[in-house]
Amino acid sequence: QKEVEQNSGPLSVPEGAIASLNCTYSDRVSQSFFWYRQYSGKSPELIMSIYSNGDKEDGRFTAQLNKASQYVSLLIRDSQPSDSATYLCAVGRGNNRLAFGKGNQVVVIP
Amino acid sequence: KAGVTQTPRYLIKTRGQQVTLSCSPISGHRSVSWYQQTPGQGLQFLFEYFSETQRNKGNFPGRFSGRQFSNSRSEMNVSTLELGDSALYLCASSTRPTSGGANEQFFGPGTRLTVL
Repeated sequence: QKEVEQNSGPLSVPEGAIASLNCTYSDRVSQSFFWYRQYSGKSPELIMSIYSNGDKEDGRFTAQLNKASQYVSLLIRDSQPSDSATYLCAVGRGNNRLAFGKGNQVVVIP
Repeated sequence: KAGVTQTPRYLIKTRGQQVTLSCSPISGHRSVSWYQQTPGQGLQFLFEYFSETQRNKGNFPGRFSGRQFSNSRSEMNVSTLELGDSALYLCASSTRPTSGGANEQFFGPGTRLTVL
């Protein structure tokens, strides 16, 4: 079983819609969770961190964490063409080691 | 506050050579982590340094090594390069690591290594 899984294929959403991304992780004791955005040819950029069960909102982004189900998600509201990128889910594994999922490509269609 | 800097940005080497990559973390950050990103494997953890000590190491061969200096700058070295080492090497900067997880990490622009 992979440490972090992001199974959805490329996601196409119309401008203004909500994009929903999901991620599952295998280690039940994981404590810290992150979402990164990576534009083509660029390095990952941190957009959200979440450590407790529930929702965390930051602007148009909402991260949701459910430790019992080992599930973390990211919602992007009012999607904009500038949100077109690959979104990487990362799980903290001790001493600052991050385990990453393979990422989900999001395409926002004007 | 200046971000994470990495040098060089691009490198072309041939098989068998060695390479050294450099990373300067955000001012005040003392933890530096290194990752390798390839299209096939995604982002994989190489190692993490804090206070000049390697505290964590990923599943990479011994050809991959690193070090951290007293000013928190870090270098990683890859010896006897192989074609499969072609990748984007990313450095991430963070505050003091927590034993039970990870703090927010901020990535540099990366070094694109091509091995011919």
